Amino acid sequence: RKEVEQDPGPFNVPEGATVAFNCTYSNSASQSFFWYRQDCRKEPKLLMSVYSSGNEDGRFTAQLNRASQYISLLIRDSKLSDSATYLCVVNKGYSTLTFGKGTMLLVSP
Amino acid sequence: EAEVAQSPRYKITEKSQAVAFWCDPISGHATLYWYRQILGQGPELLVQFQDESVVDDSQLPKDRFSAERLKGVDSTLKIQPAELGDSAMYLCASSLDLSGNTIYFGEGSWLTVV
Repeated sequence: RKEVEQDPGPFNVPEGATVAFNCTYSNSASQSFFWYRQDCRKEPKLLMSVYSSGNEDGRFTAQLNRASQYISLLIRDSKLSDSATYLCVVNKGYSTLTFGKGTMLLVSP
Repeated sequence: EAEVAQSPRYKITEKSQAVAFWCDPISGHATLYWYRQILGQGPELLVQFQDESVVDDSQLPKDRFSAERLKGVDSTLKIQPAELGDSAMYLCASSLDLSGNTIYFGEGSWLTVV
């Protein structure tokens, strides 16, 4: 089983739609969790951290389920500018970040 | 806004040649990472430094790859000899400490081996 698994997509959605991505991780000792956004041929950038209590930043909501070892990202009211690859990232400790392969989102007019 | 600087941005090299990438992290950041990202994959950690010391190089192919951060500031990643499968984006990142909770990536160095 891979350390961090994501559905590669692509997810094709119209503007205004709500879309959700899931990610599973294998190491139950993982300590912290993140979603990064990566535009085509650019570097990854932190989108948001994922807390046990769940957290929201505008149209984006992230949730963590430690018992089932999965992380989710919900995007509401999708914009064209949300088109990107979303990387699930797990910190195993000692700042070793493990990235998933990413889920591609394409938002169309 | 402070940035992680990388050079060169693009490099085309022939198989079996040597190639080197340079990274200057954000000032004051003690932790420096080199990641490799093959098209369609997520970034994969090659090596992690804390100041000038290697914290993790378990995924670095040491027969051909080397990395150093002699003075604990900037860093060089070298590949010798380059192979076709090394074609990828090489990303440098830095963070203030070992928590790993906020890391900042450079724009990356694209390598094409022909």
